[in-house]
Amino acid sequence: DTAVSQTPKYLVTQMGNDKSIKCEQNLGHDTMYWYKQDSKKFLKIMFSYNNKELIINETVPNRFSPKSPDKAHLNLHINSLELGDSAVYFCASSQEGSGNTIYFGEGSWLTVV
Amino acid sequence: GDSVTQMEGPVTLSEEAFLTINCTYTATGYPSLFWYVQYPGEGLQLLLKATKADDKGSNKGFEATYRKETTSFHLEKGSVQVSDSAVYFCALSDSAGNMLTFGGGTRLMVKP
Repeated sequence: DTAVSQTPKYLVTQMGNDKSIKCEQNLGHDTMYWYKQDSKKFLKIMFSYNNKELIINETVPNRFSPKSPDKAHLNLHINSLELGDSAVYFCASSQEGSGNTIYFGEGSWLTVV
Repeated sequence: GDSVTQMEGPVTLSEEAFLTINCTYTATGYPSLFWYVQYPGEGLQLLLKATKADDKGSNKGFEATYRKETTSFHLEKGSVQVSDSAVYFCALSDSAGNMLTFGGGTRLMVKP
């Protein structure tokens, strides 16, 4: 069983479209995250949710909107896609607390054309 | 804010060579330190971690020691294999464990 699963794995879409990436974790964790990896492999946190509540919201355009229907799911919706949004988006989860491991999904490769 | 600096790659080694990837950090409080590995076309996998000073994390022949006095967490392996070719990320989590701050990643290429 995949611990953190995200779909789709690959997504190619045109500028201006709206798309969503879904994420689910079956680890019973109470905290979930979205990270963005750019073309130079640099990883940066976008959002963090704890028990469905937003706790970290880095400087991200408001075209990006996370939604957590329950603590096992954290979806990422992106409006009006731009070329610069092309990246790999990683969902992750952890149990709250210092030193706890953050587990990552396999990534969603988004290409905006 | 917290930050992680790791050596830029790519690092190219021959099989069975000794590996060191340097990582230093800046953080307030007592962070936990991690190494993650990303194989080509795949997601991030935890390689090892250390949660307090002088702890040594180890896995698959890799090891790293949490050095508070030098704020470092260097990754080492005595004998690399071709299958170790990947991008390695050093990271820290804050005292509350709310998020990871990553270094820029170091690409390792091991040639037969």
